Amino acid sequence: GAVVSQHPSWVICKSGTSVKIECRSLDFQATTMFWYRQFPKQSLMLMATSNEGSKATYEQGVEKDKFLINHASLTLSTLTVTSAHPEDSSFYICSAREYRAGNNEQFFGPGTRLTVL
Amino acid sequence: ILNVEQSPQSLHVQEGDSTNFTCSFPSSNFYALHWYRWETAKSPEALFVMTLNGDEKKKGRISATLNTKEGYSYLYIKGSQPEDSATYLCAPGYSTLTFGKGTMLLVSP
Repeated sequence: GAVVSQHPSWVICKSGTSVKIECRSLDFQATTMFWYRQFPKQSLMLMATSNEGSKATYEQGVEKDKFLINHASLTLSTLTVTSAHPEDSSFYICSAREYRAGNNEQFFGPGTRLTVL
Repeated sequence: ILNVEQSPQSLHVQEGDSTNFTCSFPSSNFYALHWYRWETAKSPEALFVMTLNGDEKKKGRISATLNTKEGYSYLYIKGSQPEDSATYLCAPGYSTLTFGKGTMLLVSP
């Protein structure tokens, strides 16, 4: 149980295009999903937290108009990198949390490697 | 932003060796500490969630201890096997997690 999928696993795009990454909880309902980014040799950095049906909460320094997050259902969240540029090239990974009292365990997807040319 | 340090950065041991790594975090406003195991090309896998000072948890050959007063946790692997090769991440937090850079473990047969 507690499987999270992410699609695509890797993507290469041209500068200026937009890229959408999907995160799905396959066997549970994720009331909260998290999006992280990891640059080489760095730690996973939280970008934003999204609760189903409401606007995402972005961490300081993360542009909400650049990284659009939609969490329209209890099993799907999407991250769209708009007008991507080479500096957006990174590893993006999502996690999902099921609502249960006192539960704060996050289950991760396998990540998406984005390369912007 | 929490300062989470993991050491060593990487470790190379022989099969059968026992090993341990450290996670240091601020002791103030502590809620919980998470350990994850992350194999290449796979999803990070939750190992432990620890909340109480003095907690000790075990999962097979892997165990972890927690000291919330001084702000550290140790992860131990007894009799390392090649399949233990992975990056081990720690993350304090409750609603949101702050990750360390991880310890990359390589176990040679």
